[in-house]
Amino acid sequence: ETAVFQTPNYHVTQVGNEVSFNCKQTLGHDTMYWYKQDSKKLLKIMFSYNNKQLIVNETVPRRFSPQSSDKAHLNLRIKSVEPEDSAVYLCASSWTGANTGQLYFGEGSKLTVL
Amino acid sequence: AQRVTQVQSTGSSQWGEVTLDCSYETSEYSYLILWYRQLFSGEMVFLIYQPSFDTQNQRSGHYSVVFQKSFKSISLVISASQPEDSGTYFCALSEGNSNNRIFFGDGTQLVVKP
Repeated sequence: ETAVFQTPNYHVTQVGNEVSFNCKQTLGHDTMYWYKQDSKKLLKIMFSYNNKQLIVNETVPRRFSPQSSDKAHLNLRIKSVEPEDSAVYLCASSWTGANTGQLYFGEGSKLTVL
Repeated sequence: AQRVTQVQSTGSSQWGEVTLDCSYETSEYSYLILWYRQLFSGEMVFLIYQPSFDTQNQRSGHYSVVFQKSFKSISLVISASQPEDSGTYFCALSEGNSNNRIFFGDGTQLVVKP
C-alpha cells in the first residue's frame, strides 16, 4: 500500500515556466529523496534530505530547488523549466538506521515541457 | 561511467522460473546489491537485497539471488513467475553504509505471458 504521496501526477508546461512538485510520506521516516527518471528509464538521485538538512546534491542545475518544511514533506521546485527537464520525478523515503537499501517510492510526477 | 549494467533490456517468459542478470562496478569493500520492480503505476517496489559480506544467497518470498561476488555479478531469480510479475526490474548498487549512494541500472522489462 502506497505511503508516499506525490502531487501532481502529471504536469504539462512550456519552456520558462515554474513548476512545483509536492511529496508527503506517512511512514515516519527521517530521510526523503528526489530521483529523476528519464525517457530511457534511467534513475538518478537529485536530492536527499535528512531531518530537513540537505545531504546530497548530485550536481543538479540550479533551477532545481528542494524545499522541506518537516521530515514528512519534501517538495521540488523548478524555476524556468527546460525541455531536458521532461521526465518522471520520483519521491522516496527511508529510515536512516535501516541500512538495507530499501527506499519507499511514490508513483511519480511526470513532467512534460513543450 | 555506468556502475550498474543490466544485461537484458527486455525479456518474456511463460509460467516458470525467470532469471534477470546484473553486473556492477565498485571499489567499496562494503556494499549492497538491491532489486526493485517498477509497477505500471510508476511506483518502485523493493524486492530483495544482498550484502557484499554475506556469502549466502538471499531469498525473499518467490525472489532469490545468485550472487557471484568475485565476478561482480548478481542474478535475480523469480520462481513460479506469473503474469502479475510483469514489469520493469531494476538492479541497484548501494555503496557504503548509506542509502544516499544508490546507483540504479537501466532496468529489464519483463513480460510474463499467461
